Parts: sequence; C-alpha cells; structure tokens
Amino acid sequence: SQKIEQNSEALNIQEGKTATLTCNYTNYSPAYLQWYRQDPGRGPVFLLLIRENEKEKRKERLKVTFDTTLKQSLFHITASQPADSATYLCALDPGGASKIIFGSGTRLSIRP
Amino acid sequence: ETGVTQTPRHLVMGMTNKKSLKCEQHLGHNAMYWYKQSAKKPLELMFVYNFKEQTENNSVPSRFSPECPNSSHLFLHLHTLQPEDSALYLCASSQVSGGRQDEQFFGPGTRLTVL
Repeated sequence: SQKIEQNSEALNIQEGKTATLTCNYTNYSPAYLQWYRQDPGRGPVFLLLIRENEKEKRKERLKVTFDTTLKQSLFHITASQPADSATYLCALDPGGASKIIFGSGTRLSIRP
Repeated sequence: ETGVTQTPRHLVMGMTNKKSLKCEQHLGHNAMYWYKQSAKKPLELMFVYNFKEQTENNSVPSRFSPECPNSSHLFLHLHTLQPEDSALYLCASSQVSGGRQDEQFFGPGTRLTVL
C-alpha cells in the first residue's frame, strides 16, 4: 500500500543550526512534492513545491531536495530561529487532479 | 476578508445534534476541499469539489454531508456524530487548470468536540 513517513514526530535543535526534516514514501510515484508549515490552532501554509525532475529548490532560508531513486525529500531550514518552531508537513502530489497525500508531520522546536 | 475563512472556530455538540460548518474562499479558486485532522494522524481528505461538482468522497460516513452552492462557499453538515469524530476540520481551496492543481490554501479550521 502507499505510505508516506516523516522521519520523526518531533525534532529539537539549537537556534542558528540547520534543521533537516525527512519525508520518505513507498509504492508511490509523485510528480510533485510539497512542504507546508502548520502552527498550533491554524491551518497548514504552503511553503515550497518541487517537481520530480528537480533535484533542489530554494526559498530564502529554506531548501528542499527530492530524490526519486531513494523516494525521499529533505527539507532544510538554515540559520534556524525560534520563530521557525512549528509542525512541518510533506505532501505527495501525483499530478493532474488526483488528491494530495499528506504525511503526519514533524514538530520542530528551535531553542534559543 | 482575504484567504480562506471558516466558521465557527470551535464547536461542541452532542451526538444527537445537527450542525453545519461553513467555509468561504476569497481567492477566486475553482476547487475546494474538506479535511479531517486528528491528533498525531495525517490530514485525511474527506471531500473534493471542482467547479462546484463533487469529485471525491473518500469513504466518508453519511453522517457527514457536504454542500457546495458555488465555487466560493463550502459547507459540511453534521448529524448524529460520534465522539471519535472529534477533530480539527480544515477547509482548503486551490486553482485547478490544465488538469493540474496548484498548492492548497487552508482555512484556520473548526475544532469540533462531540460529547
């Protein structure tokens, strides 16, 4: 069956370090992979989309990689700040009008 | 207002009550979605509407009944719910064009508690 896993339920790192979150999937061939941020009591907010033929995508302090051979995406936040503390969701997008499948998220905490 | 709005933000109801959740998007999108989010579980897609037509019903129990009167409004009618239906219900919208949907924009959600 199709499965999407985010490496850990929670991740705690020191301010200023790079946070790396992992998204693995099986039995799936997404055309796109999306990352969202969700704060407590709020809906997810879209951050980045990466296509299957792209290796890497950057936006300010964010970087996403997509390895279709390993079936894995890495999400990096460089120079992390306490304001980056949130839950981060990856989502597989098969393309077309098919539904997007979300992972259960990784709760990231950045300590000062 | 901008973006996607949802009302009410919090709802407590008994198992015999009937209530409705409302979602409105001000983004001009042509697709709208209902998701259920339970603690420590992935977002579960419930319903999808494209151009006001329901295109997905993800095996949702009939005690949940969606309604999409136009491309900007989406309702979720609730009746005879169970305590396990307590969750955060999220509405989202996106633009579908050329057979491809863009990223989704979510509302703040309705925190539902069924007693």
